[in-house]
Amino acid sequence: DTEVTQTPKHLVMGMTNKKSLKCEQHMGHRAMYWYKQKAKKPPELMFVYSYEKLSINESVPSRFSPECPNSSLLNLHLHALQPEDSALYLCASSHYAGPNTGELFFGEGSRLTVL
Amino acid sequence: AQKVTQAQTEISVVEKEDVTLDCVYETRDTTYYLFWYKQPPSGELVFLIRRNSFDEQNEISGRYSWNFQKSTSSFNFTITASQVVDSAVYFCALSENRDDKIIFGKGTRLHILP
Repeated sequence: DTEVTQTPKHLVMGMTNKKSLKCEQHMGHRAMYWYKQKAKKPPELMFVYSYEKLSINESVPSRFSPECPNSSLLNLHLHALQPEDSALYLCASSHYAGPNTGELFFGEGSRLTVL
Repeated sequence: AQKVTQAQTEISVVEKEDVTLDCVYETRDTTYYLFWYKQPPSGELVFLIRRNSFDEQNEISGRYSWNFQKSTSSFNFTITASQVVDSAVYFCALSENRDDKIIFGKGTRLHILP
């Protein structure tokens, strides 16, 4: 069982909807990440939170809004998405941010479909 | 700029055969980290190994082995005596010392046929 839990596993939303993806870890990790993965493509980094502060935003459109309420939780708020935003959204955590952090622990992802 | 190239898009082998997945990387940093991740159909990426740029020792873990060669900027992954459960997409990834990013190659889809 993964130690990073993502909900919901599947989400279908219209372009005018507002929804949120949630991610939770209880490993005491201080870095959390959102990745986007299109079919048959590698994961693409979207955001990095380090000690609950946003440290990296990979020029993600503002219709994606991340939030880190505490060290265990990471949200991705979605508003006015486009059909091309349909993808698997992966959350990950690590002990701390930075290249020497060791492994990333990934959740199973939230598969988003935008109609 | 950093770059990870996995030239093999898809590989199919018969069970019990050995298979090597290639990874070539590009970086200007002298300190960097290389990773391999496995993504089974369930979607979750599973960490396999991390290697830093100062450690060129090859590593073996059960049926898995990794060959890191700085001279050719390669970090290849070999599965010995492959099994059907090894079927997955395998990603090689790179992180430079200057930032918090782990950048993935395009992945190699491995099919192990019974």
